[in-house]
Amino acid sequence: GAGVSQSPRYKVAKRGQDVALRCDPISGHVSLFWYQQALGQGPEFLTYFQNEAQLDKSGLPSDRFFAERPEGSVSTLKIQRTQQEDSAVYLCASSSLLAGGDTGELFFGEGSRLTVL
Amino acid sequence: GENVEQHPSTLSVQEGDSAVIKCTYSDSASNYFPWYKQELGKRPQLIIDIRSNVGEKKDQRIAVTLNKTAKHFSLHITETQPEDSAVYFCAASPFVGSSNTGKLIFGQGTTLQVKP
Repeated sequence: GAGVSQSPRYKVAKRGQDVALRCDPISGHVSLFWYQQALGQGPEFLTYFQNEAQLDKSGLPSDRFFAERPEGSVSTLKIQRTQQEDSAVYLCASSSLLAGGDTGELFFGEGSRLTVL
Repeated sequence: GENVEQHPSTLSVQEGDSAVIKCTYSDSASNYFPWYKQELGKRPQLIIDIRSNVGEKKDQRIAVTLNKTAKHFSLHITETQPEDSAVYFCAASPFVGSSNTGKLIFGQGTTLQVKP
């Protein structure tokens, strides 16, 4: 695709419900990142994949958060038993790898805005 | 771990004036410093970036400077226009092992308002 695509764009969940957020990265991008952006704040790192391998999940706030990228392309961020503090925009970003192994520019999706009532 | 501080949190300038936003970082291993512009309800978009092997980079009205010794970097926008109004985020990317994973640690953001 032309850019990073995320769905749904908006999700309202009742406290305690499970939600799943999908990210379609730019075709061929090896690296995929999930960030959480609370209102008026900068994005905060959640987790990082290189192909299908989850190399860093140090930013996931609790064991209610789970991310996967089983075939090294599409990724899903799952939040179980949602709480009000989970309300935020969840941003996905993808990038290619430069020669030498460094990551290139991160391209962000429009985000999925989660509101937990 | 890395920590990025950004100042000011809000900045208001007259059209045509310059705007400067400053960031400091804590991890001397960080080697990649991008700046993102985010309009309300939109995705963050890269406007300029710098790697630690250079001290300054310029792209038309936008420039970034990096002082590795002091661990700070700045965004300079000259001849500001109303369409420059947005939230600007700086970020730092730690260098881990032999490469940079691209994981970004963001500052808190600066809301820039350019008055016509």
